[in-house]
Amino acid sequence: DSGVTQTPKHLITATGQRVTLRCSPRSGDLSVYWYQQSLDQGLQFLIQYYNGEERAKGNILERFSAQQFPDLHSELNLSSLELGDSALYFCASSVADPGGETQYFGPGTRLLVL
Amino acid sequence: AQTVTQSQPEMSVQEAETVTLSCTYDTSESDYYLFWYKQPPSRQMILVIRQEAYKQQNATENRFSVNFQKAAKSFSLKISDSQLGDAAMYFCAYRGSWGKLQFGAGTQVVVTP
Repeated sequence: DSGVTQTPKHLITATGQRVTLRCSPRSGDLSVYWYQQSLDQGLQFLIQYYNGEERAKGNILERFSAQQFPDLHSELNLSSLELGDSALYFCASSVADPGGETQYFGPGTRLLVL
Repeated sequence: AQTVTQSQPEMSVQEAETVTLSCTYDTSESDYYLFWYKQPPSRQMILVIRQEAYKQQNATENRFSVNFQKAAKSFSLKISDSQLGDAAMYFCAYRGSWGKLQFGAGTQVVVTP
């Protein structure tokens, strides 16, 4: 158990819908990262937050957005869902940034868009 | 941009034997970190080992060790005394000055009794 929690574990929804994925980092960790794992794209970085502020953006679609709240939990919002958004979404957390701190991953949320 | 290459889609090893997974990366940065993560069938991403680029000594964690060749930009993982529980997908990852991890495509390790 990494100490990072993600809810829900599984999500099945329809095209055009909107979903919210939630992540709670390890106690004391200020940085939260979101990654997407799909069969065709592999593991890709989406976005990073540090202590409530957006720190870096990767290959995140405009239909996707995220935020980190004062209690440091983070939410990833996916809207106007398409079939291709079906993937495993990971949240990871680390103590500090920058500094090369190790990222610990949550169990992931499996999203299936039908 | 940094790229991470894992050229072995699958490696097979017998129990108690040793297997080595290859990883190469491309970067212009001098300060960075390299990781190996394991993803078993549960899909959980589990940290196996970490290497700081400024350290010349290769990292070791129990049966797992790395061969870090900075000049060659190579970072291989050796699994010794392989066990059935080692069967998983293994990802090599690079972290530079920015916090994000750049992952390779992964190597599936199959352990046979």
